[in-house]
Amino acid sequence: AQTVTQSQPEMSVQEAETVTLSCTYDTSESDYYLFWYKQPPSRQMILVIRQEAYKQQNATENRFSVNFQKAAKSFSLKISDSQLGDAAMYFCAYERAGAGGTSYGKLTFGQGTILTVHP
Amino acid sequence: DGGITQSPKYLFRKEGQNVTLSCEQNLNHDAMYWYRQDPGQGLRLIYYSQIVNDFQKGDIAEGYSVSREKKESFPLTVTSAQKNPTAFYLCASSIQWQNSPLHFGNGTRLTVT
Repeated sequence: AQTVTQSQPEMSVQEAETVTLSCTYDTSESDYYLFWYKQPPSRQMILVIRQEAYKQQNATENRFSVNFQKAAKSFSLKISDSQLGDAAMYFCAYERAGAGGTSYGKLTFGQGTILTVHP
Repeated sequence: DGGITQSPKYLFRKEGQNVTLSCEQNLNHDAMYWYRQDPGQGLRLIYYSQIVNDFQKGDIAEGYSVSREKKESFPLTVTSAQKNPTAFYLCASSIQWQNSPLHFGNGTRLTVT
């Protein structure tokens, strides 16, 4: 079974600074997807970024970028120029890809990291 | 605007009672999912449905039941057999057979006493 581990229960960062959230996963599959989701106090789950395992290039979305190390099974999230609105619980998630790389929505989540942003 | 509606936001029940959580989507998505969230743990998959009138068990299906009679609706029943039903429940949907991400509802907080 796949497992996802987030070893940092809590992290904090000063506004405008950079912070990196860690995630490791365990799988024997070669084709899969990795995600970072954000859950603010409203508890709505918001997709931050997605990485396809077959792509070597790290995904980026504005101030959010990942460091995907497939051999090490590591998938960290870097938030640059942190803003107060970035404060939330962040979840790393894994999904095994189906035939032809199809996504089926069956995700395995890590335990989450609470990010606090100080003004 | 399209989205996923979960109701109610808070739900209280006495132990031994079955309770049904509602999930409706108007995104025309084929697939729908139920996840459970407990403090200190990530989300865990309860049930999922890829098409109307069909659904499969996820990782923690015991004590739960679902139905998928309409594309838009995927209600979850928490039965009295569920030993620890108090949790936050999230419904999600996605376009099937495409590499589309999950869209989540706002969740229902169920408290059983």
